[in-house]
Amino acid sequence: DAGITQSPRHKVTETGTPVTLRCHQTENHRYMYWYRQDPGHGLRLIHYSYGVKDTDKGEVSDGYSVSRSKTEDFLLTLESATSSQTSVYFCAISELEGRGTDTQYFGPGTRLTVL
Amino acid sequence: GQNIDQPTEMTATEGAIVQINCTYQTSGFNGLFWYQQHAGEAPTFLSYNVLDGLEEKGRFSSFLSRSKGYSYLLLKELQMKDSASYLCAVRDRDYKLSFGAGTTVTVRA
Repeated sequence: DAGITQSPRHKVTETGTPVTLRCHQTENHRYMYWYRQDPGHGLRLIHYSYGVKDTDKGEVSDGYSVSRSKTEDFLLTLESATSSQTSVYFCAISELEGRGTDTQYFGPGTRLTVL
Repeated sequence: GQNIDQPTEMTATEGAIVQINCTYQTSGFNGLFWYQQHAGEAPTFLSYNVLDGLEEKGRFSSFLSRSKGYSYLLLKELQMKDSASYLCAVRDRDYKLSFGAGTTVTVRA
């Protein structure tokens, strides 16, 4: 298994509070991604990073910000949590070495509940 | 962007074969992936197609037709442990993956 950890694994918070989720990798992969997964929607990309301090938005980035100050860590922040952000959040990593089968490997997920 | 469709649910009997279809529309195709996801767990990679045709890997096979925007995942000799959600994902020219909503497969004894 790829070395990816997420913390916390579970969190319950209240509307309006800031929340930061952490993704940590030991694979030294260049690319890191944050997804959310909701019933009926599948996995949707929030933000991704293609290097230290290089990030870009995904399809559902509103209300989220990210930071990557080191290769191994990618942080996802909900500036002011809302109930619509209750979801399971997955981090993923990949290393595009020009091999066609380069794929993404997922962390174990963080279950976030916003009350 | 991508528009990816796959059936919501399928049920099959242990030992049987099930075929999960996936259709997609994309502005820049750069590969199609299938993932397996058990309830409460992270997705795990199953297969990859970028050229037309069939890729076989043990009990699992995946097929791609780029002209039709169509793929299927074939699960043979079904086992109870194959009960899971199967996700079709399309990669674009920027190497971002877009996922379908997933197909829940239930294997019955």
